[in-house]
Amino acid sequence: ETGVTQSPTHLIKTRGQQVTLRCSSQSGHNTVSWYQQALGQGPQFIFQYYREEENGRGNFPPRFSGLQFPNYSSELNVNALELDDSALYLCASSLPGTRSDTQYFGPGTRLTVL
Amino acid sequence: SQQGEEDPQALSIQEGENATMNCSYKTSINNLQWYRQNSGRGLVHLILIRSNEREKHSGRLRVTLDTSKKSSSLLITASRAADTASYFCATDAPGNTPLVFGKGTRLSVIA
Repeated sequence: ETGVTQSPTHLIKTRGQQVTLRCSSQSGHNTVSWYQQALGQGPQFIFQYYREEENGRGNFPPRFSGLQFPNYSSELNVNALELDDSALYLCASSLPGTRSDTQYFGPGTRLTVL
Repeated sequence: SQQGEEDPQALSIQEGENATMNCSYKTSINNLQWYRQNSGRGLVHLILIRSNEREKHSGRLRVTLDTSKKSSSLLITASRAADTASYFCATDAPGNTPLVFGKGTRLSVIA
């Protein structure tokens, strides 16, 4: 176990709705990254937060947004949900440094969009 | 886009046998990492090998890196049923780029 927690575990939404996913990072880690993992694929980088600021973004539209709080916990918000947003959403914390440092993953949130 | 590509896509072996998985990538890298994922849960970091290293060991794991061929292999020796999982390689390119994961190899170890 990494000490990274995510909530909720599962979520079902309908197309057009909005969703907020939450993540608490491992103690001592002030960098949080979010990934989307579609079925049968590897995780894809959405964005990273360091000291409450976005620190890099992957190829995802602006309706994917995030926040990091002073206690280093983080949220991923997705607006105007589409069917293709159905996936496992993973957050990972890491020690301050580059975007490619060893990532400590949470168990994920399984989002289903109907 | 996914830079790393694992081979084979799926592998089934008997307990006690060795399992070898390969990863190929397209561009220059700083580091290459291997992660394990049990049935759709979070990923667990296994090992990191830097671009100037050729081989690394951790317990029953042995990783090699050949930057001239842009490939890496992960060897799990004396496999156990608990090793059943998907294994992903992840690379990062120079310039503070994020990790890019492959599609993974699904390993089944049969008791």
